[in-house]
Amino acid sequence: TQLLEQSPQFLSIQEGENLTVYCNSSSVFSSLQWYRQEPGEGPVLLVTVVTGGEVKKLKRLTFQFGDARKDSSLHITAAQPGDTGLYLCAGGMKTSYDKVIFGPGTSLSVIP
Amino acid sequence: DTGVSQDPRHKITKRGQNVTFRCDPISEHNRLYWYRQTLGQGPEFLTYFQNEAQLEKSRLLSDRFSAERPKGSFSTLEIQRTEQGDSAMYLCASSLDMRVGEQYFGPGTRLTVT
Repeated sequence: TQLLEQSPQFLSIQEGENLTVYCNSSSVFSSLQWYRQEPGEGPVLLVTVVTGGEVKKLKRLTFQFGDARKDSSLHITAAQPGDTGLYLCAGGMKTSYDKVIFGPGTSLSVIP
Repeated sequence: DTGVSQDPRHKITKRGQNVTFRCDPISEHNRLYWYRQTLGQGPEFLTYFQNEAQLEKSRLLSDRFSAERPKGSFSTLEIQRTEQGDSAMYLCASSLDMRVGEQYFGPGTRLTVT
């Protein structure tokens, strides 16, 4: 059974603080995505990482893919209220079809 | 093209009724996925199409659920004899034959079964 775990499940911080959320699995993925979802909307793709050890930056967001391609982290610097949302990681693997597994998400609330 | 669209955005139905949802993917995308999401959870895989072929269906999907993608364009998801446990957000996503997992989601259809 392939599972993706995310931690923490909930996070409430003050504007300006830094935070890191984690995505872990026992499975190896060919790629890993991070999405952000707002209430009542579909997830929006933030980034794709494919190479073990890869680091990508998107403004104040830094994404890292673990060396073994089993885990990932998302670091947000100087969080803003607009960062509030559900952060989902998803692992992709080539099986009999293009399989994608989603984690349960980290719900982030940034308080002004 | 403005992205993936879904219709309707909201559906309220009585238990036992049939409902059908529509998804229009990004035009050049050949892969289409349906997911179900409940509050506080990540999307749960339902089914997958590559062009018009339905290549995978979740074992969690009962016989009351059926999906089609005629001509490899839009897709429909039908739920027959709805139950209260079917209440959820139904999400559609499309992707190209490239990096697995890089999907573009529609806004979802919120189903409430009363």
